[in-house]
Amino acid sequence: AQSVTQPDIHITVSEGASLELRCNYSYGATPYLFWYVQSPGQGLQLLLKYFSGDTLVQGIKGFEAEFKRSQSSFNLRKPSVHWSDAAEYFCAVGAQNNNDMRFGAGTRLTVKP
Amino acid sequence: DAGVIQSPRHEVTEMGQEVTLRCKPISGHNSLFWYRQTMMRGLELLIYFNNNVPIDDSGMPEDRFSAKMPNASFSTLKIQPSEPRDSAVYFCASSSHPAGLYGYTFGSGTRLTVV
Repeated sequence: AQSVTQPDIHITVSEGASLELRCNYSYGATPYLFWYVQSPGQGLQLLLKYFSGDTLVQGIKGFEAEFKRSQSSFNLRKPSVHWSDAAEYFCAVGAQNNNDMRFGAGTRLTVKP
Repeated sequence: DAGVIQSPRHEVTEMGQEVTLRCKPISGHNSLFWYRQTMMRGLELLIYFNNNVPIDDSGMPEDRFSAKMPNASFSTLKIQPSEPRDSAVYFCASSSHPAGLYGYTFGSGTRLTVV
């Protein structure tokens, strides 16, 4: 079965700085990859997803992610962080041949003024 | 669309009581998923339905947990009897793909506290 690791539990960046959140997955075939964001007291919201094709995918709120098969990674990026981006971010991996969507443990983002 | 609607938002109950959590998925989504979120274990899939039929309930912790989906617009997750270790945030999510591979739409969750 597939698995996903988010190496960073907590990241702090200054407002206006760039952001990269790491996600590594383990799966033998082409995975379905997702990034979700969770604001306090809310459910998870889908930011972007990758199935196939262009390895750089654009999402909502100015986020993008790049699929790198050679590194088994799907890192989330944003060129300039806003205070409203402070939240918990989850990477997830799914597979076509099973119904087992796996979520990472999450990375909590703090934005300094 | 109002999104996935869960009720109640918060539930505080005494150990041994029955708890029922409710979910209304997005209209047209034929798959529904129940997740539990805790600090220790993160997000855990409890059970999911496809076209109102339970497909996989292997994540349900024990027989005290049960879930139903009597129609395409309503699902319940019941805990009877409840225990303090059931305290968590319970999320319902729906998707137009059987395995959620188009992405999930999550509800706002029910925060359950069992005292």
